[in-house]
Amino acid sequence: AQSVTQLGSHVSVSEGALVLLRCNYSSSVPPYLFWYVQYPNQGLQLLLKYTSAATLVKGINGFEAEFKKSETSFHLTKPSAHMRDAAEYFCAVSDRGSNYQLIWGAGTKLIIKP
Amino acid sequence: DTAVSQTPKYLVTQMGNDKSIKCEQNLGHDTMYWYKQDSKKFLKIMFSYNNKELIINETVPNRFSPKSPDKAHLNLHINSLELGDSAVYFCASSQAPGGGWEAFFGQGTRLTVV
Repeated sequence: AQSVTQLGSHVSVSEGALVLLRCNYSSSVPPYLFWYVQYPNQGLQLLLKYTSAATLVKGINGFEAEFKKSETSFHLTKPSAHMRDAAEYFCAVSDRGSNYQLIWGAGTKLIIKP
Repeated sequence: DTAVSQTPKYLVTQMGNDKSIKCEQNLGHDTMYWYKQDSKKFLKIMFSYNNKELIINETVPNRFSPKSPDKAHLNLHINSLELGDSAVYFCASSQAPGGGWEAFFGQGTRLTVV
């Protein structure tokens, strides 16, 4: 069955430091991959998505993610963290095996230290 | 103009009551969803409708009943509310079911059962 693993329920970085949020998925076929962000008391908002075009995907707010098939990973990065990046981040996957239903990771809370 | 709007934003009610949450999208999407997010931020899909037809009906108590009067609306009615129903409920929509289509989320309804 398809699954998504986000390593680390909490990630803490200093303002200006590199942000790296990890996402690994299990899928036997090329998947669609998504990163969503949830700011406090708000709904989820799409950051970026991979749909079998370029493996390096650029999203909003300076975030990007790289699809690595050999590692079944889709890690999210941002070169320099801002205080406003503090939020919950969710990785999700869909593919034929899940009837294209979105399978969600458990989320990673990004904490930014001043 | 809000893309996916749900009402109410907050709902506090007593055990045993019946309540409804309304959702409307003005994006012209064919597919709508209800998600439940628990206190640990874990997202669980409950229902999905495509063109007013139920296509995903996950294992939820039958006290939960969705209703889609038209493509733009998906309401959630909950009977005999229990303490464990306390959560944030999100409505979402997408152009089509799954695949590479992103989901657009409402702001959420925080339900507290006392």
